[in-house]
Amino acid sequence: AQSVTQPDIHITVSEGASLELRCNYSYGATPYLFWYVQSPGQGLQLLLKYFSGDTLVQGIKGFEAEFKRSQSSFNLRKPSVHWSDAAEYFCAVGVRVGITGGGNKLTFGTGTQLKVEL
Amino acid sequence: DGGITQSPKYLFRKEGQNVTLSCEQNLNHDAMYWYRQDPGQGLRLIYYSQIVNDFQKGDIAEGYSVSREKKESFPLTVTSAQKNPTAFYLCASSIGSGRSSYNSPLHFGNGTRLTVT
Repeated sequence: AQSVTQPDIHITVSEGASLELRCNYSYGATPYLFWYVQSPGQGLQLLLKYFSGDTLVQGIKGFEAEFKRSQSSFNLRKPSVHWSDAAEYFCAVGVRVGITGGGNKLTFGTGTQLKVEL
Repeated sequence: DGGITQSPKYLFRKEGQNVTLSCEQNLNHDAMYWYRQDPGQGLRLIYYSQIVNDFQKGDIAEGYSVSREKKESFPLTVTSAQKNPTAFYLCASSIGSGRSSYNSPLHFGNGTRLTVT
């Protein structure tokens, strides 16, 4: 079965500093990988996704992530953090539901809570 | 605007009562999902549906039931058999047909916080 590990439960960075959130996955086939962000009491918003091709993926809000198959990792990065980036971040791996379609079942990590110091 | 609507945002129930959470989408998505979120545990899949009148159990289906009578709607019932129902419940949808569905992201509603006392 697939699994996702986010080793950092909490991370605090200063505004303007760079950010890297770690994500490791376990899945037997080529993974579909996603990063989502969640503000308190809200749903999840997609930041970016990877399914094939270029291993460096650009997302919204200035985020990027790099897929490294040899390390089973999909770390999220941002060069300069803004106070509004404070939120919880979830990494997820997608599993095909059906042979000819049917969508994705996502398995999520436990999340990383980001705090930004002004 | 297209999206997913979950209602109500907050729900309070007494122990032993069944309660139904609403989820409606106007994105014309075939697939719909219910996740449960608890602090420190991430999101766990309760049920999912690929198409109308069909649904499958996820990882933690015990104590829950769903129906999918319309493409737009996927209500979740939390029954009295669910031992620890207090949680934040998230509904999602995605493109559910065709090869593009494999990497299509899930779109989430804003959740319903259920408190059972």
